Amino acid sequence: DIQMTQSPSSLSASVGDRVTITCRASQSISNYLNWYQQKPGKAPKLLIYAAFSLQSGVPSRFSGSGSGTDFTLTISSLQPEDFATYYCQQSYSTPALTFGGGTKVEIK
Amino acid sequence: EVQLVESGGGLVQPGRSLRLSCTASGFTFGDYAINWVRQAPGKGLEWVGFIRSRAYGGTTEYAASVKGRFTISRDDSKSIAYLQMNSLKTEDTAVYYCSRLNTYASGIPFDYWGQGTLVTVSS
Repeated sequence: DIQMTQSPSSLSASVGDRVTITCRASQSISNYLNWYQQKPGKAPKLLIYAAFSLQSGVPSRFSGSGSGTDFTLTISSLQPEDFATYYCQQSYSTPALTFGGGTKVEIK
Repeated sequence: EVQLVESGGGLVQPGRSLRLSCTASGFTFGDYAINWVRQAPGKGLEWVGFIRSRAYGGTTEYAASVKGRFTISRDDSKSIAYLQMNSLKTEDTAVYYCSRLNTYASGIPFDYWGQGTLVTVSS
């Protein structure tokens, strides 16, 4: 199975900060990389698909980049509603559609 | 509006069985693969398995942790997917989410999710 490693596992940031989360795959996954946001007690929500495509309705302050094994999720100016946990996920290799371990974004 | 609603969770003893349902609306259910993901208390997301659409054979794939114990099925006439969980273990305790696996989109994302249903395995 392909392993997905996210870093950092948590971070503290202030409103208005630029935040970057990285995700590394154990082997090349082309651009089959998706990002999700999850708030406490809620279901995950798709933010970015295919590494850099913004899901409909998601604010443009979110962006994704990368290809192959290394990927990045960037929040250009952190807003109060962005404090959440973020997960990357690969759909390149079935049967296991693996997730990263998550990055919790907390208020500084 | 696309909606997915899970049901069937609850408290069950180790070794027993439970069946979850995922009722869909707002899209042509039969055209999409349906996915199950779980989240143990305080932990991250774990993919459980998915079932392909009938056009792709309606076949299933499972995570190693549940293979042989869990079975995913679907009833396209009712727009419902099922997760049959047998020989449950305490480590299966989690919130179980169903989601739509969008094989038509680049990246094949899980684009819509249900609200989740809690399964607690305990004696």
